[in-house]
Amino acid sequence: GQQLNQSPQSMFIQEGEDVSMNCTSSSIFNTWLWYKQDPGEGPVLLIALYKAGELTSNGRLTAQFGITRKDSFLNISASIPSDVGIYFCAGRGSKGSSNTGKLIFGQGTTLQVKP
Amino acid sequence: GAVVSQHPSWVICKSGTSVKIECRSLDFQATTMFWYRQFPKQSLMLMATSNEGSKATYEQGVEKDKFLINHASLTLSTLTVTSAHPEDSSFYICSAWDRGPYGYTFGSGTRLTVV
Repeated sequence: GQQLNQSPQSMFIQEGEDVSMNCTSSSIFNTWLWYKQDPGEGPVLLIALYKAGELTSNGRLTAQFGITRKDSFLNISASIPSDVGIYFCAGRGSKGSSNTGKLIFGQGTTLQVKP
Repeated sequence: GAVVSQHPSWVICKSGTSVKIECRSLDFQATTMFWYRQFPKQSLMLMATSNEGSKATYEQGVEKDKFLINHASLTLSTLTVTSAHPEDSSFYICSAWDRGPYGYTFGSGTRLTVV
């Protein structure tokens, strides 16, 4: 199946550092979502983006919907140990595309935070 | 908020048997439900999309006769893995979609181990 290109694949950072990860696609999406998944659990929504250019924050998290509608980034500021987990971007297909209504996931970014 | 209940959370079955996984939206009606499969250290791969009262749409490469999906009501979808084999061992996650404010809500996943 189709996947989005998410990078980096993994990050190992010191507590207090900022983190940035991004996703790109060859297709246009009309919604970008960012999720966090803990081991053995389903993904939990962090931020949803609905318009090109939109910049949205949720606490220490900030995400942007790229102008071209083919990319998005997520920033985490002042990381803490509980930020550890796998972060996924997901794009919802535009109407009329082969992915209409479907949520397609990136490969994930594994984040480890050293106290 | 929206809650999706997925059961069982884990199951071990013998090779050749069938296993049914349930996905229920508890406080909203889900127009569409999605089923994903996730192998260790990999992303969520969409298997199929089901709309209430109609046949599921399967992604390329997913065997519809092996992964039977029933979406009999707006709050319940089931995935049956028929004649399971060890290579079917995986983490299966459902997602319910609501046109309203909840968007996509994920279940907590089912760990299937076929021995």
